[in-house]
Amino acid sequence: AQTVTQSQPEMSVQEAETVTLSCTYDTSENNYYLFWYKQPPSRQMILVIRQEAYKQQNATENRFSVNFQKAAKSFSLKISDSQLGDTAMYFCAFITYSGAGSYQLTFGKGTKLSVIP
Amino acid sequence: NAGVTQTPKFQVLKTGQSMTLQCAQDMNHEYMSWYRQDPGMGLRLIHYSVGAGITDQGEVPNGYNVSRSTTEDFPLRLLSAAPSQTSVYFCASKTTGTQGTYEQYFGPGTRLTVT
Repeated sequence: AQTVTQSQPEMSVQEAETVTLSCTYDTSENNYYLFWYKQPPSRQMILVIRQEAYKQQNATENRFSVNFQKAAKSFSLKISDSQLGDTAMYFCAFITYSGAGSYQLTFGKGTKLSVIP
Repeated sequence: NAGVTQTPKFQVLKTGQSMTLQCAQDMNHEYMSWYRQDPGMGLRLIHYSVGAGITDQGEVPNGYNVSRSTTEDFPLRLLSAAPSQTSVYFCASKTTGTQGTYEQYFGPGTRLTVT
């Protein structure tokens, strides 16, 4: 079974500071993609960053970066210079492709991040 | 492109009523799926489709039906609503090609309350 574990149900960070959200996952597949999604109070699911499992280089997207440790099956998200608009639920997820159009997307339970002015 | 659209945004049903949640995408994606989001549970897959005429069950399919008559539309039907189906429902789509990022595009969600 594929699982995603986000061990921090809630976190808070001061505005302009840096915060790291942790995520571990488990799969027997070797080919997969990892994602962090942001869900603000508007409820829309917004893709923050993605990482291909075959790439060793960590993905970055402006103030967002990941620390991908494939052997440890760890995929943490670092948010630098936190802004009030970063307040949201953050979901870690990964998707595997098992052929014939069959995919499995697995989500963690989320981390609620609050940015404090 | 409108992306993935869902209607309605909010719905209140009485126990035993039936209804259909609509989902449409204009990106010509083969793969479409329905999730439900409950507090503390993350997103759980209800049903998915890899193309017109092809559907399959996900993790929590009971009480829901789907059909896929066109590439664009993937409606979710609640046959006899129960309070346990109170949730937020997301529709998503993606390409099924082995190229690309496997990224799913989500609709804005439908908040359903069953009393």
